[in-house]
Amino acid sequence: GAGVSQSPSNKVTEKGKDVELRCDPISGHTALYWYRQSLGQGLEFLIYFQGNSAPDKSGLPSDRFSAERTGGSVSTLTIQRTQQEDSAVYLCASSLGQQSTDTQYFGPGTRLTVL
Amino acid sequence: KQEVTQIPAALSVPEGENLVLNCSFTDSAIYNLQWFRQDPGKGLTSLLLIQSSQREQTSGRLNASLDKSSGRSTLYIAASQPGDSATYLCAVNYGGSQGNLIFGKGTKLSVKP
Repeated sequence: GAGVSQSPSNKVTEKGKDVELRCDPISGHTALYWYRQSLGQGLEFLIYFQGNSAPDKSGLPSDRFSAERTGGSVSTLTIQRTQQEDSAVYLCASSLGQQSTDTQYFGPGTRLTVL
Repeated sequence: KQEVTQIPAALSVPEGENLVLNCSFTDSAIYNLQWFRQDPGKGLTSLLLIQSSQREQTSGRLNASLDKSSGRSTLYIAASQPGDSATYLCAVNYGGSQGNLIFGKGTKLSVKP
């Protein structure tokens, strides 16, 4: 079946603009994660959605970052008033949600460049 | 602080060699550990997942081991091929209210023909 998809694949924006990144998880997966991969850094957890529960936002770096997940499926990560340090690859992953047995399946990522 | 470390940061080997990639983690109370492969400009591909109760997992030429008590995992690649060239990432899941993975910075592998 289809894997995790993300759009756009690349996004170039000017400092101060808002951007929206989209993730379509694998159908039937209740858990959805956003990660960020900055140049020279490891992958950094941002936010976690599990079913209809309130999301775990503990990884969001600032209040300019927010995410929502509509209908338990598609998720949107929004970055307001983008800064140059927001430039990174943003990766989305989904899993069945059973935790201990889960494999997280990753999308191809969105490469964000803030000029 | 829960940290995951991978050594070496980069590795170059001739085709056909067997090789070992290392991963260490500071907190041994893990739920599971996962090895991924990342090709340039691409997302992550899951290779192997080891539950906390397991000692190893095998898939084809890949074998991953887990020693929780010492906080270590290794990824063994047998008879390496140029197509194995990629960055290999180790990630630890500590479970609990979060299901997020804590990643190492990866080992960049280059297999020369």
